[in-house]
Amino acid sequence: DSGVTQTPKHLITATGQRVTLRCSPRSGDLSVYWYQQSLDQGLQFLIQYYNGEERAKGNILERFSAQQFPDLHSELNLSSLELGDSALYFCASSVFAGGNTGELFFGEGSRLTVL
Amino acid sequence: GESVGLHLPTLSVQEGDNSIINCAYSNSASDYFIWYKQESGKGPQFIIDIRSNMDKRQGQRVTVLLNKTVKHLSLQIAATQPGDSAVYFCAETSTGNQFYFGTGTSLTVIP
Repeated sequence: DSGVTQTPKHLITATGQRVTLRCSPRSGDLSVYWYQQSLDQGLQFLIQYYNGEERAKGNILERFSAQQFPDLHSELNLSSLELGDSALYFCASSVFAGGNTGELFFGEGSRLTVL
Repeated sequence: GESVGLHLPTLSVQEGDNSIINCAYSNSASDYFIWYKQESGKGPQFIIDIRSNMDKRQGQRVTVLLNKTVKHLSLQIAATQPGDSAVYFCAETSTGNQFYFGTGTSLTVIP
């Protein structure tokens, strides 16, 4: 158990809909990262928050947004969903802001299926 | 952007044999590397890391080798066990940057 909690574990929805994925980082970790993993794909970095503020952005679509709340949990909002958005979405956390300061601890992911 | 790739997408080994998983990276500025293991239905788990001031690091049954000259990273698993069957990812980063992950190598251990 990494200590990172993600909900829901599975989500099935229709095209055009909006969903929210939630992540609670490990106790004491200030950084939260969101990654997307599609079939046969590696982990694509979406966005990072550190202590409530956006720290870095990757290839995140404009239809997607995220935030980190004062209690450090984070939410990833996916809107106007398309079939291609079907993927595993992972949250990871770390103590520091990023870079080569230490490992990331991953949750077990939220599997999104868009029909 | 960053480019982290793996030489072989799949690898099958006999139980008890040693496994070697390779990874190429493109950013010569990367100075920290991690190998992750992802079992089916789970999130990636840390296996071992190495910084660029080292060329070898050993853990329990695992060894990571770093060749900065050719920008190559490898993960060696000794006496591979069925529980080692998983997808293995290498990730690279440098100061102030994000982790970039490769596509992954699927390791299958044949009993």
